[in-house]
Amino acid sequence: DAGITQSPRHKVTETGTPVTLRCHQTENHRYMYWYRQDPGHGLRLIHYSYGVKDTDKGEVSDGYSVSRSKTEDFLLTLESATSSQTSVYFCAISEPIRTDTQYFGPGTRLTVL
Amino acid sequence: DQQVKQNSPSLSVQEGRISILNCDYTNSMFDYFLWYKKYPAEGPTFLISISSIKDKNEDGRFTVFLNKSAKHLSLHIVPSQPGDSAVYFCAATLYSGAGSYQLTFGKGTKLSVIP
Repeated sequence: DAGITQSPRHKVTETGTPVTLRCHQTENHRYMYWYRQDPGHGLRLIHYSYGVKDTDKGEVSDGYSVSRSKTEDFLLTLESATSSQTSVYFCAISEPIRTDTQYFGPGTRLTVL
Repeated sequence: DQQVKQNSPSLSVQEGRISILNCDYTNSMFDYFLWYKKYPAEGPTFLISISSIKDKNEDGRFTVFLNKSAKHLSLHIVPSQPGDSAVYFCAATLYSGAGSYQLTFGKGTKLSVIP
């Protein structure tokens, strides 16, 4: 199993509060990704990173920002959480040689009231 | 507009029989196609992939077939086992620059293998 952890695993917060989710990897992989999974939508890419301080937007990036100051950590921030951001968030990493294949963390279930 | 479609939300199969999960796509520029398996409260797990230049890839009980002219791929599981019960996601990749690929996922098919 790829060494990926996500924290927290569960969080309940209120509308308008900032929230930061953390993804930590022990594989030293260059590429990291944040997805959200919602019923009826599969998984959708929020942001991704191709190196320290190198990030780019995905399909559903509005309302989210990311940061990567170290290879092993990729942070996802909701500056002002909204109820539409209630979802399960997955982090993924990919190997340097096979970047087409991604390996996922266990997920964070976020509820915004 | 959904580029990767899994039109069957669910599928039930008897243990020991073949499970066939289907996926259609619209973008002819996709490079690789992958299947992921997901159990409740866990992250998706990579199962098998196929390059867009191949038409078949096999790994144990799992075989993926790609029909580029029809823009269709399928995952065959033979024989099906109760532990295969999970949600299966079809995904396709597009090169997004800087050595990275973006995955586009279908909505998933829930497979139930009945003992």
